[in-house]
This record gives sequence, C-alpha cells and structure tokens, in this order.
Amino acid sequence: DQQVKQNSPSLSVQEGRISILNCDYTNSMFDYFLWYKKYPAEGPTFLISISSIKDKNEDGRFTVFLNKSAKHLSLHIVPSQPGDSAVYFCAATNAGNNRKLIWGLGTSLAVNP
Amino acid sequence: DGGITQSPKYLFRKEGQNVTLSCEQNLNHDAMYWYRQDPGQGLRLIYYSQIVNDFQKGDIAEGYSVSREKKESFPLTVTSAQKNPTAFYLCASSRLVLTGELFFGEGSRLTVL
Repeated sequence: DQQVKQNSPSLSVQEGRISILNCDYTNSMFDYFLWYKKYPAEGPTFLISISSIKDKNEDGRFTVFLNKSAKHLSLHIVPSQPGDSAVYFCAATNAGNNRKLIWGLGTSLAVNP
Repeated sequence: DGGITQSPKYLFRKEGQNVTLSCEQNLNHDAMYWYRQDPGQGLRLIYYSQIVNDFQKGDIAEGYSVSREKKESFPLTVTSAQKNPTAFYLCASSRLVLTGELFFGEGSRLTVL
C-alpha cells in the first residue's frame, strides 16, 4: 500500500514557467515531509522540507506547500530552468516509525529551453 | 570535504556470486541506510543502522546482509540468495535528529550476468 503517492510520473514545462509537482499521503501521523532531486546515475540530493506545523516553506526558487486537511503537498519551482530537469521524490516521516523515510515513486520533470 | 563514498560505481558479477558494496561516510552521522532503486520505481529500503553494531531490516532485506562495525562504514553484501540483484544501490546517512534528512552517496550499479 503506497502511503506516499506521486500520481504524475512525468511533467514537462517551458523554461521560465512555474513547475508544480504534487504529492499525496495517506498516513495522518506523518509530521515531516521532504523533497529530493535526483539526476540519472546519481544519488538523490535534499531539496527542501516542511514540518507539519507549517503550511509553507520557501528556499529561493523552491517553495513547498502543505495542506494537512487534504493530505497533500506540492513543490513549486519558479522560474523553472533546464538544470531543474530531474526526478523529484517526495518523502514523509514521523517519529513513530523511527524516522524512516517513506518515499513516493517520483516525478520526472523536463524543463524545455 | 565531508560526504558519503560508495564503491565501486559499477560492478559486474556472475550469477551465484556474493558481492560486497562499500559505503563510507565522514559526516559523523549516527544512522546509515541502504536503498535499492529499480527503473520506474521509488527507493526501497534494504537495511538501516542507527548505531554501531546494530542494524535493522528494511522492506526488502531478503538476500542481503550488512555489518556496522565502525560508525563510518556500512557495507552491503548482495548474496546469491537475492533473486534479482541487478539494480542501482544507494547508501545514505543521517544524524539522529527529529527529521529524516538523508545524505546520499553517488550509488553503485550492480549488473549480474
């Protein structure tokens, strides 16, 4: 049973536009959410996170929004750049599971020049 | 520079042979993890260790073994019992804090012929 779902396997946007990547979760006990970015044949790198006590966290071009009532979070990238083309993984965790990360299957983002 | 080093980056083995993948970190992190990634799939946890001389099975531990004799090192052995060992293997580490932020190595691609 997939507790963290990224329902869009892929997304294509134009350079300079906004990229919105979505993530849904089913476990209401999750209290910390993370986004990772992964290039082919490399390990994922941490991008941005948000605690469940917040509804927004911003870091430069990247903003994560959390809607707890909908069990939904999204990552906004503005403006999108070709170097943002990668697979983006959403992950969630809570203290009750030893802080193990529960991962989505990823969304492949292509930013076209 | 601090980081996680995985070796080898590419490895070819014959079916039935055991293989050991190396993972070393100099981040002074307490926790270390092994993940497996297959095409079109998310990251699946094989084993993790939160302290030296202790480790726990993840979601897909069958056919794998680990050891944690030193804080810096967490080698993974892919045994002949692993039915489908060809995959991209990722090692990660984290501090034992109330977040799940992981730092990943660059990965090891194992191909069993």
